Amino acid sequence: DAEITQSPRHKITETGRQVTLACHQTWNHNNMFWYRQDLGHGLRLIHYSYGVQDTNKGEVSDGYSVSRSNTEDLPLTLESAASSQTSVYFCASSESRATEAFFGQGTRLTVV
Amino acid sequence: GIQVEQSPPDLILQEGANSTLRCNFSDSVNNLQWFHQNPWGQLINLFYIPSGTKQNGRLSATTVATERYSLLYISSSQTTDSGVYFCAVESYGGSQGNLIFGKGTKLSVKP
Repeated sequence: DAEITQSPRHKITETGRQVTLACHQTWNHNNMFWYRQDLGHGLRLIHYSYGVQDTNKGEVSDGYSVSRSNTEDLPLTLESAASSQTSVYFCASSESRATEAFFGQGTRLTVV
Repeated sequence: GIQVEQSPPDLILQEGANSTLRCNFSDSVNNLQWFHQNPWGQLINLFYIPSGTKQNGRLSATTVATERYSLLYISSSQTTDSGVYFCAVESYGGSQGNLIFGKGTKLSVKP
């Protein structure tokens, strides 16, 4: 069965360190997304990609970057981790506009 | 941008009871999904329902796109139904595939 997986599931890092969260999907979807979930804010879009070599900023993109070198993967990098980036991060994928999106299991990141 | 409002924010039920969760949105949508976030934090797809009615076991959903709302029905609730239910929409005028989430309804089912 096709799936979307995130790794690691949990991570603790120190302020100022670079961190990369992995997202891998086997749906062969063009669209991939990164969201963060925080109490009081729900899920908010960080970055998204519509295909290889395409990346776009979302609502809360400051301090984050992504790259899309193949269809299956969209890693999310925190350039210099800050305590405000402590959150649960979700990766998602969908085939195209107005199609069902599928989410990974989430990564809980703590920045100390 | 489009606004998504869910009600009620919190709901406590006895096992076996029925419930209706509502999602209102402020603009035309071409995608609407319902998710269940379980106590372990996973987002489970319940329905992809930009319009019409669907049923899956004890759960059913209806979206009336012209009136900008969707309803999720849970019948004969079980303790395993506990968690947060999210409605998410993709607006016609928004970025392709970008889902805008409501703040969710937190459901607690008591034995």
